[in-house]
Amino acid sequence: EVQLLESGGELVQPGGSLRLSCAASGFTFSSYAMSWVRQAPGKGLEWVSVISGSGGSTYYADSVKGRFTISRDNSKNTLYLQMNSLTAEDTAVYYCANHFHTSVYTALDYWGQGTLVTVSS
Amino acid sequence: EIVLTQSPGTLSLSPGERATLSCRASQSVSTTYLGWYQQKPGQAPRLLMYGASSRATGIPDRFSGSGSGTDFTLTISRLEPEDFAVYYCQQYGSSPWTFGQGTKVEIK
Repeated sequence: EVQLLESGGELVQPGGSLRLSCAASGFTFSSYAMSWVRQAPGKGLEWVSVISGSGGSTYYADSVKGRFTISRDNSKNTLYLQMNSLTAEDTAVYYCANHFHTSVYTALDYWGQGTLVTVSS
Repeated sequence: EIVLTQSPGTLSLSPGERATLSCRASQSVSTTYLGWYQQKPGQAPRLLMYGASSRATGIPDRFSGSGSGTDFTLTISRLEPEDFAVYYCQQYGSSPWTFGQGTKVEIK
Protein backbone atom coordinates (compact mmCIF):
# COMPACT_ATOMS: atom_id res chain seq x y z
CA GLU A 1 0.00 0.00 0.00
CA VAL A 2 1.35 3.40 -1.01
CA GLN A 3 1.76 5.77 1.92
CA LEU A 4 2.97 9.37 1.90
CA LEU A 5 3.39 11.09 5.24
CA GLU A 6 4.21 14.78 5.32
CA SER A 7 5.72 16.49 8.35
CA GLY A 8 7.39 19.75 9.31
CA GLY A 9 4.52 22.16 9.01
CA GLU A 10 4.18 24.72 11.80
CA LEU A 11 3.70 28.37 12.64
CA VAL A 12 6.60 30.48 11.38
CA GLN A 13 7.23 34.21 11.29
CA PRO A 14 7.38 36.15 8.02
CA GLY A 15 10.87 35.96 6.58
CA GLY A 16 11.50 32.66 8.29
CA SER A 17 12.42 29.25 6.93
CA LEU A 18 10.97 25.78 7.19
CA ARG A 19 11.77 22.35 5.79
CA LEU A 20 8.97 19.95 4.97
CA SER A 21 9.50 16.21 4.66
CA CYS A 22 7.46 13.51 3.00
CA ALA A 23 8.20 9.92 3.99
CA ALA A 24 7.20 7.44 1.31
CA SER A 25 6.54 3.72 1.53
CA GLY A 26 4.83 0.98 -0.43
CA PHE A 27 6.50 1.66 -3.77
CA THR A 28 9.95 1.95 -5.32
CA PHE A 29 10.53 5.57 -4.42
CA SER A 30 13.40 6.25 -6.81
CA SER A 31 11.27 5.17 -9.78
CA TYR A 32 8.73 7.93 -9.42
CA ALA A 33 8.71 11.67 -9.84
CA MET A 34 7.35 13.57 -6.86
CA SER A 35 5.55 16.89 -6.48
CA TRP A 36 4.54 19.36 -3.82
CA VAL A 37 1.10 20.95 -4.16
CA ARG A 38 -0.35 23.49 -1.76
CA GLN A 39 -3.81 24.70 -0.87
CA ALA A 40 -4.38 27.98 0.93
CA PRO A 41 -7.31 28.01 3.39
CA GLY A 42 -10.58 27.88 1.48
CA LYS A 43 -8.82 28.06 -1.89
CA GLY A 44 -7.97 25.76 -4.77
CA LEU A 45 -4.93 23.66 -5.53
CA GLU A 46 -1.64 25.27 -6.53
CA TRP A 47 1.24 23.20 -7.88
CA VAL A 48 4.51 24.21 -6.19
CA SER A 49 7.38 22.04 -7.42
CA VAL A 50 8.30 18.72 -9.03
CA ILE A 51 11.39 16.52 -9.05
CA SER A 52 12.19 13.57 -11.28
CA GLY A 53 12.85 10.10 -9.90
CA SER A 54 16.61 10.52 -10.11
CA GLY A 55 16.45 14.06 -8.76
CA GLY A 56 18.13 15.37 -11.89
CA SER A 57 15.22 17.52 -13.03
CA THR A 58 13.35 20.05 -10.96
CA TYR A 59 10.78 22.71 -11.75
CA TYR A 60 9.12 25.42 -9.67
CA ALA A 61 6.08 27.66 -9.75
CA ASP A 62 7.01 31.29 -10.34
CA SER A 63 5.54 32.17 -6.94
CA VAL A 64 8.22 30.14 -5.13
CA LYS A 65 11.14 30.17 -7.55
CA GLY A 66 14.33 31.31 -5.83
CA ARG A 67 12.84 30.80 -2.37
CA PHE A 68 11.91 27.09 -2.28
CA THR A 69 14.10 24.09 -3.07
CA ILE A 70 12.80 20.59 -3.72
CA SER A 71 15.08 17.61 -3.12
CA ARG A 72 14.91 13.92 -2.43
CA ASP A 73 16.96 11.26 -0.68
CA ASN A 74 16.23 8.00 -2.47
CA SER A 75 18.19 6.04 0.14
CA LYS A 76 15.75 7.27 2.79
CA ASN A 77 12.63 7.26 0.62
CA THR A 78 12.04 10.86 1.58
CA LEU A 79 11.08 14.01 -0.31
CA TYR A 80 11.89 17.48 1.00
CA LEU A 81 10.84 21.06 0.46
CA GLN A 82 13.13 23.75 1.85
CA MET A 83 11.18 26.98 2.15
CA ASN A 84 12.94 30.30 2.75
CA SER A 85 11.83 33.94 2.93
CA LEU A 86 8.30 32.87 3.82
CA THR A 87 5.41 35.31 3.52
CA ALA A 88 1.77 35.20 4.55
CA GLU A 89 0.92 34.13 0.98
CA ASP A 90 2.75 30.85 1.64
CA THR A 91 0.23 29.88 4.32
CA ALA A 92 -1.35 26.65 3.13
CA VAL A 93 -1.67 22.92 3.53
CA TYR A 94 1.23 21.36 1.65
CA TYR A 95 0.67 17.99 0.02
CA CYS A 96 3.27 15.68 -1.42
CA ALA A 97 2.18 13.42 -4.25
CA ASN A 98 3.83 10.82 -6.40
CA HIS A 99 3.56 10.81 -10.14
CA PHE A 100 2.55 7.90 -12.31
CA HIS A 101 6.10 7.38 -13.50
CA THR A 102 9.67 8.55 -13.18
CA SER A 103 8.82 11.26 -15.69
CA VAL A 104 7.61 14.60 -14.34
CA TYR A 105 5.10 14.80 -17.21
CA THR A 106 2.58 12.48 -15.62
CA ALA A 107 -0.46 12.80 -13.37
CA LEU A 108 -0.34 12.86 -9.58
CA ASP A 109 -1.29 9.36 -8.51
CA TYR A 110 -1.18 9.16 -4.70
CA TRP A 111 -1.33 12.06 -2.26
CA GLY A 112 -0.38 12.45 1.37
CA GLN A 113 -2.76 13.97 3.92
CA GLY A 114 -0.87 17.26 4.00
CA THR A 115 0.94 19.40 6.54
CA LEU A 116 -0.15 22.90 7.52
CA VAL A 117 2.26 25.80 7.21
CA THR A 118 1.16 29.05 8.81
CA VAL A 119 3.18 32.20 8.25
CA SER A 120 2.24 34.87 10.75
CA SER A 121 3.75 37.18 13.31
CA GLU B 1 1.72 29.54 -18.42
CA ILE B 2 -1.33 27.52 -19.42
CA VAL B 3 -4.40 28.84 -17.62
CA LEU B 4 -7.20 26.36 -17.03
CA THR B 5 -10.70 27.76 -16.56
CA GLN B 6 -13.35 25.47 -15.13
CA SER B 7 -17.07 25.97 -15.46
CA PRO B 8 -19.45 26.19 -13.86
CA GLY B 9 -18.08 27.25 -10.51
CA THR B 10 -20.85 25.38 -8.73
CA LEU B 11 -23.16 22.68 -10.04
CA SER B 12 -26.31 21.95 -8.02
CA LEU B 13 -27.74 18.55 -8.86
CA SER B 14 -29.67 15.70 -7.30
CA PRO B 15 -28.42 12.13 -6.82
CA GLY B 16 -28.99 10.13 -9.98
CA GLU B 17 -28.58 13.13 -12.26
CA ARG B 18 -25.83 13.58 -14.84
CA ALA B 19 -23.01 16.04 -14.16
CA THR B 20 -21.01 17.69 -16.91
CA LEU B 21 -17.92 19.67 -15.89
CA SER B 22 -15.88 21.77 -18.29
CA CYS B 23 -12.18 22.64 -18.33
CA ARG B 24 -10.94 25.12 -20.93
CA ALA B 25 -7.24 25.76 -21.53
CA SER B 26 -5.69 29.05 -22.65
CA GLN B 27 -3.62 27.09 -25.19
CA SER B 28 -3.72 23.61 -26.62
CA VAL B 29 -2.99 20.73 -24.23
CA SER B 30 -2.21 17.25 -25.48
CA THR B 31 -4.74 14.76 -24.16
CA THR B 32 -1.79 12.85 -22.71
CA TYR B 33 -1.23 15.62 -20.19
CA LEU B 34 -4.71 16.38 -18.82
CA GLY B 35 -5.98 14.99 -15.53
CA TRP B 36 -8.98 15.33 -13.20
CA TYR B 37 -9.00 15.14 -9.41
CA GLN B 38 -11.73 14.90 -6.79
CA GLN B 39 -11.44 16.50 -3.38
CA LYS B 40 -13.83 16.09 -0.47
CA PRO B 41 -13.82 18.40 2.58
CA GLY B 42 -10.90 17.75 4.89
CA GLN B 43 -9.36 15.21 2.54
CA ALA B 44 -6.48 15.13 0.11
CA PRO B 45 -7.28 15.19 -3.60
CA ARG B 46 -7.71 11.89 -5.40
CA LEU B 47 -6.79 11.18 -9.00
CA LEU B 48 -9.84 10.36 -11.11
CA MET B 49 -8.68 10.57 -14.73
CA TYR B 50 -5.37 10.85 -16.52
CA GLY B 51 -4.60 11.24 -20.17
CA ALA B 52 -7.95 13.04 -20.42
CA SER B 53 -9.99 9.83 -20.66
CA SER B 54 -8.29 7.04 -18.70
CA ARG B 55 -9.76 6.19 -15.32
CA ALA B 56 -7.36 5.82 -12.41
CA THR B 57 -7.30 2.64 -10.39
CA GLY B 58 -10.55 1.96 -8.57
CA ILE B 59 -12.52 4.77 -10.19
CA PRO B 60 -16.03 3.61 -11.14
CA ASP B 61 -17.13 3.69 -14.75
CA ARG B 62 -19.79 6.33 -14.12
CA PHE B 63 -16.85 8.75 -14.42
CA SER B 64 -15.67 9.52 -17.93
CA GLY B 65 -13.42 12.10 -19.51
CA SER B 66 -13.28 13.49 -23.00
CA GLY B 67 -12.01 16.38 -25.07
CA SER B 68 -8.99 17.60 -26.92
CA GLY B 69 -7.08 20.76 -27.73
CA THR B 70 -8.40 23.42 -25.40
CA ASP B 71 -11.72 21.91 -24.30
CA PHE B 72 -12.06 19.00 -21.91
CA THR B 73 -15.02 17.52 -20.08
CA LEU B 74 -15.53 15.32 -17.03
CA THR B 75 -18.88 13.55 -16.99
CA ILE B 76 -20.47 11.73 -14.07
CA SER B 77 -23.28 9.71 -15.61
CA ARG B 78 -25.38 9.22 -12.46
CA LEU B 79 -24.43 11.04 -9.32
CA GLU B 80 -24.00 8.96 -6.20
CA PRO B 81 -24.06 10.57 -2.73
CA GLU B 82 -20.28 10.15 -2.43
CA ASP B 83 -19.67 12.12 -5.66
CA PHE B 84 -20.59 15.48 -4.17
CA ALA B 85 -17.20 17.16 -3.94
CA VAL B 86 -14.91 19.65 -5.66
CA TYR B 87 -13.32 18.64 -8.95
CA TYR B 88 -10.12 20.05 -10.42
CA CYS B 89 -8.56 19.66 -13.84
CA GLN B 90 -4.78 19.83 -14.23
CA GLN B 91 -2.34 20.02 -17.10
CA TYR B 92 1.06 18.42 -16.58
CA GLY B 93 2.54 18.80 -20.03
CA SER B 94 4.47 22.00 -19.55
CA SER B 95 5.93 23.96 -16.69
CA PRO B 96 4.40 25.38 -14.65
CA TRP B 97 1.97 22.55 -14.09
CA THR B 98 -1.41 24.22 -13.48
CA PHE B 99 -4.79 23.44 -11.96
CA GLY B 100 -8.16 24.88 -12.76
CA GLN B 101 -9.92 26.77 -10.00
CA GLY B 102 -12.32 23.90 -9.34
CA THR B 103 -15.99 23.06 -9.79
CA LYS B 104 -18.05 22.27 -6.72
CA VAL B 105 -20.74 19.67 -7.25
CA GLU B 106 -23.32 20.16 -4.51
CA ILE B 107 -26.57 18.49 -3.59
CA LYS B 108 -29.60 20.35 -4.86
